Amino acid sequence: AQSVAQPEDQVNVAEGNPLTVKCTYSVSGNPYLFWYVQYPNRGLQFLLKYITGDNLVKGSYGFEAEFNKSQTSFHLKKPSALVSDSALYFCAVRGLNYGGSQGNLIFGKGTKLSVKP
Amino acid sequence: GAVVSQHPSWVICKSGTSVKIECRSLDFQATTMFWYRQFPKQSLMLMATSNEGSKATYEQGVEKDKFLINHASLTLSTLTVTSAHPEDSSFYICSAPSRAGELFFGEGSRLTVL
Repeated sequence: AQSVAQPEDQVNVAEGNPLTVKCTYSVSGNPYLFWYVQYPNRGLQFLLKYITGDNLVKGSYGFEAEFNKSQTSFHLKKPSALVSDSALYFCAVRGLNYGGSQGNLIFGKGTKLSVKP
Repeated sequence: GAVVSQHPSWVICKSGTSVKIECRSLDFQATTMFWYRQFPKQSLMLMATSNEGSKATYEQGVEKDKFLINHASLTLSTLTVTSAHPEDSSFYICSAPSRAGELFFGEGSRLTVL
């Protein structure tokens, strides 16, 4: 079965410092991995995805993620955090019955990122 | 970029009443839309897949008679929570894939059942 794990409930970072939000996955077949961000009482916004190709994926708002097959990880990173990056971050993997789209996504439990000035 | 709109953003209702939530794709057509439920401080759980012109596909454990889904057109899907009870209080989010397959999410609808 497809699954993702986000081991940290919360990550605290000082503004200007690099940030990492961890994600590990377990899939049957090739992994299709995603990161989304959610601000309070809002829907999800797409950050980036890994389908194939370069292991380092660059996304929106300066975020990037590194696909590591041997460690089955897809950690989200940003070189210099901003206070406005504070939000809830979800890692997701495409489910088996995806129907050809991103629809059937299986989400991790989410990690709350708090960036302090 | 593609936009998905949900309405209402907030709804408070009395126990026993029914509530309808709309999900619209504003600048693209979506033959499929997805409905998720999110409990406080928890992840999104896929409830059902809404299919234009046919019945919705429900995930295991989701009551189809409780959560009625209608995909009336290529740009509109509705979720009706029937005979709502306090345990149905939650944040409901819809999403729709564009023609390219990228998934766009609505802003969510917070339901509070008194």
